[in-house]
Amino acid sequence: GAGVSQTPSNKVTEKGKYVELRCDPISGHTALYWYRQSLGQGPEFLIYFQGTGAADDSGLPNDRFFAVRPEGSVSTLKIQRTERGDSAVYLCASSLGRGGTDTQYFGPGTRLTVL
Amino acid sequence: KQEVTQIPAALSVPEGENLVLNCSFTDSAIYNLQWFRQDPGKGLTSLLLIQSSQREQTSGRLNASLDKSSGRSTLYIAASQPGDSATYLCAVKGNTDKLIFGTGTRLQVFP
Repeated sequence: GAGVSQTPSNKVTEKGKYVELRCDPISGHTALYWYRQSLGQGPEFLIYFQGTGAADDSGLPNDRFFAVRPEGSVSTLKIQRTERGDSAVYLCASSLGRGGTDTQYFGPGTRLTVL
Repeated sequence: KQEVTQIPAALSVPEGENLVLNCSFTDSAIYNLQWFRQDPGKGLTSLLLIQSSQREQTSGRLNASLDKSSGRSTLYIAASQPGDSATYLCAVKGNTDKLIFGTGTRLQVFP
């Protein structure tokens, strides 16, 4: 596709449930990022992949959050035992992976609501 | 730890005004600074990216400047239009690849 796509666009779940959020990056982009944006705040970094490996997962808030990118393209963010505080928009971005000069291109996000 | 602040938090102006949005950051060791636009319920659209060696970038009615030593950037919007209404976010990239964002300036331009 032409841009970064994310599915689903909206997800409503109950406290304690497990959710998966998917990101399809721009074709050919080796770097993929996940951010979380709470209401009225700027996005906050969660995790960054270079290829298949997580190069930096320092932003994951706790061990309920996990992300994979098994073939170096599509990525899935997984949240176990969801809590109401996990409600936010989860944004995915991709880039060419050239380092400091890179531009990150963002998807439309998945709005997660935990009841 | 890098912190990014944007002032003002919200701005409401009549159409046609020239605007200045401010962004400040605490650690001057950055690779680049990027300005984004975010429409309600949408993702982020990159407007301008300024490398650390540059002083400014221009695109149409938008001009962004960077003073790395003082930790400041401004986004200048000329002749504002109602279609410019959105939230504007600035973000810096340091020696890691992640972006550190400010909390944004919510702009409303009324006819």
